[in-house]
Amino acid sequence: NAGVMQNPRHLVRRRGQEARLRCSPMKGHSHVYWYRQLPEEGLKFMVYLQKENIIDESGMPKERFSAEFPKEGPSILRIQQVVRGDSAAYFCASSPGQAVGGEKLFFGSGTQLSVL
Amino acid sequence: DQQVKQNSPSLSVQEGRISILNCDYTNSMFDYFLWYKKYPAEGPTFLISISSIKDKNEDGRFTVFLNKSAKHLSLHIVPSQPGDSAVYFCAASGASTGNQFYFGTGTSLTVIP
Repeated sequence: NAGVMQNPRHLVRRRGQEARLRCSPMKGHSHVYWYRQLPEEGLKFMVYLQKENIIDESGMPKERFSAEFPKEGPSILRIQQVVRGDSAAYFCASSPGQAVGGEKLFFGSGTQLSVL
Repeated sequence: DQQVKQNSPSLSVQEGRISILNCDYTNSMFDYFLWYKKYPAEGPTFLISISSIKDKNEDGRFTVFLNKSAKHLSLHIVPSQPGDSAVYFCAASGASTGNQFYFGTGTSLTVIP
């Protein structure tokens, strides 16, 4: 039973380019969360999705960032026109249910985004 | 607004002794708390959790204590082993706090052989 799969592990982009981060949740999990970890900081919630729906995007920056979780295929976190401040580790997590009632998150190994 | 706080960025402990990692939270609506462990270049992995109806949960060498009145929880590791060296994140969630898990900033534990 494969865990949460994220790719790529490392992504280098120049300022102004687009970054696309992919996440395949654990088998049987339909809830996906994206978190960002900036250097010397904790994990910051970005967005929570279920299949074909964005449930909570309160942690997403208002511009340049978007996320989707289509009916088929992985969840995608897309960052347009990247800037140096976007350099961070981006973690995807999945759960079988909502973040209530004792559900826990299962994390992928993350994508380290470096913006030159 | 940091709703879950880990005020000690780092902790060093001798092998065999007890490690105590602390976490404070501000939102009284949180009712489920978790500890995650993270090695470099890996994602966090679940370690132990506790529901707000309990004040203690034990799993092998790991015990989590919850003090609801103080909005404080702690993770005890005894005896500490060098393989426990990692960053430990405290997290909280609640049925009425939306769909998020709120994470602290982490405590880096070093167990000295």
